[in-house]
Amino acid sequence: DIQMTQSPSSLSASVRDRVTISCRASQTIATYLNWYQQKPGKAPKLLISAASSLQGGVPSRFSGSGSGTEFTLTISSLQPEDFATYYCQESYSTSPTFGQGTKVEIK
Amino acid sequence: EAQLLESGGGLGQPGGSLRLSCAASGFTFSSYDMNWVRQAPGGGLEWVSAVSGSGFKTYYADSVKGRFTISRDNSNHTVHLQMNSLRAEDTAVYYCAKDIGTYGDSTMDVWGQGTTVTVSS
Repeated sequence: DIQMTQSPSSLSASVRDRVTISCRASQTIATYLNWYQQKPGKAPKLLISAASSLQGGVPSRFSGSGSGTEFTLTISSLQPEDFATYYCQESYSTSPTFGQGTKVEIK
Repeated sequence: EAQLLESGGGLGQPGGSLRLSCAASGFTFSSYDMNWVRQAPGGGLEWVSAVSGSGFKTYYADSVKGRFTISRDNSNHTVHLQMNSLRAEDTAVYYCAKDIGTYGDSTMDVWGQGTTVTVSS
C-alpha cells in the first residue's frame, strides 16, 4: 500500500497568516492527489483534486501544487472558517490512502 | 443537488454483523463508483471499500477484506456495506462517498453525514 505522510500534524496560526501543509507519498503517484477539509462533527469536503484543481465554490485562497511524491496545500490568507483538519489522499491505487491529517488551530 | 444518506449504524457485538445502507439522489447513480470511508473516534480517515458503477467490481482495504462485503442496487439508488465478524477496531463513523467522475479514481466529491458503528459487548 502507498503511505501518505503529512506535516506538520498540527499548527497554530492567526487570521491572515499564510499556511502551508505538506504531503509526501511513499511512491510516485503523478498528480493523483486530493485535499479534503474536515470540521468537527462534519463530513470531509473535497477542496482540491488532481493536486491542483480547485473544486467549485472553494475560495481561491486555497491552492495545491506538486507531483510525483511531494505535494503542498497552501492557504494564502487564513480566514476564521478555515480552522479545521486537512487530509491529503492518493487516488493512484485501487486501495486509496489518506494522510494522518493536519489540524489547523487558532493562535 | 447530489445527496447521500447513510443508515444502519448502531451497536454490534464482537463477532456479530451489521448492514449499512446509503441512499443516493440527485445524480445518475449507476454511472459512478461509490465508496465507504470510516473514521475511528478521534482518528483520521480510512478508506474501507468501493464498488464500480455496474456493481461488478469491488475493492477492499486489507483491514476488512474477507469480513465486509460492498454491494449496490442501481434500481433503488442504494449502496450497502455488509459487515461480518465485527471487531472492536471497526468502531467508527462510516461515511458513504461518491466518486467525482465516471472513471473510478476514488476522488470523492459528495459525502453523506455518516452513521456511527460501535462494536462492544
